[in-house]
Amino acid sequence: KQEVTQIPAALSVPEGENLVLNCSFTDSAIYNLQWFRQDPGKGLTSLLLIQSSQREQTSGRLNASLDKSSGRSTLYIAASQPGDSATYLCAVRMGNQGGKLIFGQGTELSVKP
Amino acid sequence: DAGVTQSPTHLIKTRGQQVTLRCSPKSGHDTVSWYQQALGQGPQFIFQYYEEEERQRGNFPDRFSGHQFPNYSSELNVNALLLGDSALYLCASSFGWGLAGYNEQFFGPGTRLTVL
Repeated sequence: KQEVTQIPAALSVPEGENLVLNCSFTDSAIYNLQWFRQDPGKGLTSLLLIQSSQREQTSGRLNASLDKSSGRSTLYIAASQPGDSATYLCAVRMGNQGGKLIFGQGTELSVKP
Repeated sequence: DAGVTQSPTHLIKTRGQQVTLRCSPKSGHDTVSWYQQALGQGPQFIFQYYEEEERQRGNFPDRFSGHQFPNYSSELNVNALLLGDSALYLCASSFGWGLAGYNEQFFGPGTRLTVL
């Protein structure tokens, strides 16, 4: 059974810092991995999608990497801003389990001015 | 181009009642998935619809049922509500089914259900 874990559960950093959020999964037979942002009480905004054949994806100040063999993904946020404060969720899609996403519990990020 | 829309935004029900939540997928998408997110947790997969059929189901009781219409919109029905059903219900849409359709999922804003 696939399990997705995100550490830390919460993170507080001063504005301007570069930071890394971690996501690990127990079964490496994933089809892709997706990072989401969720503001309090809101829906999920897709940030980056990495296919299993890819090593990383970049969008603006965000860079996500994937190491299937070790069951890990990282989300790197450069020059953090207070507007980056939100909960970040990673989710994996298994190749043999249809279209469902299996989520981690998220990392709550707070960027202080 | 409208994204995924959900209605209503908030809903308050009492134990034992029934509720229907609605979702319209992003333009061009034909697959709809439903997730339940309890406070402080990651979303949990309920089920997925494609071509008006339930294609996959998560570990949820039969009290949770759904439907997909010819225009690809979908409904989530929950019968005999329990206090534990209080959560944010998220709808996600994508295009296609099967390996060729393992594309990015886009989420709606959610419906906050409170069961008293």
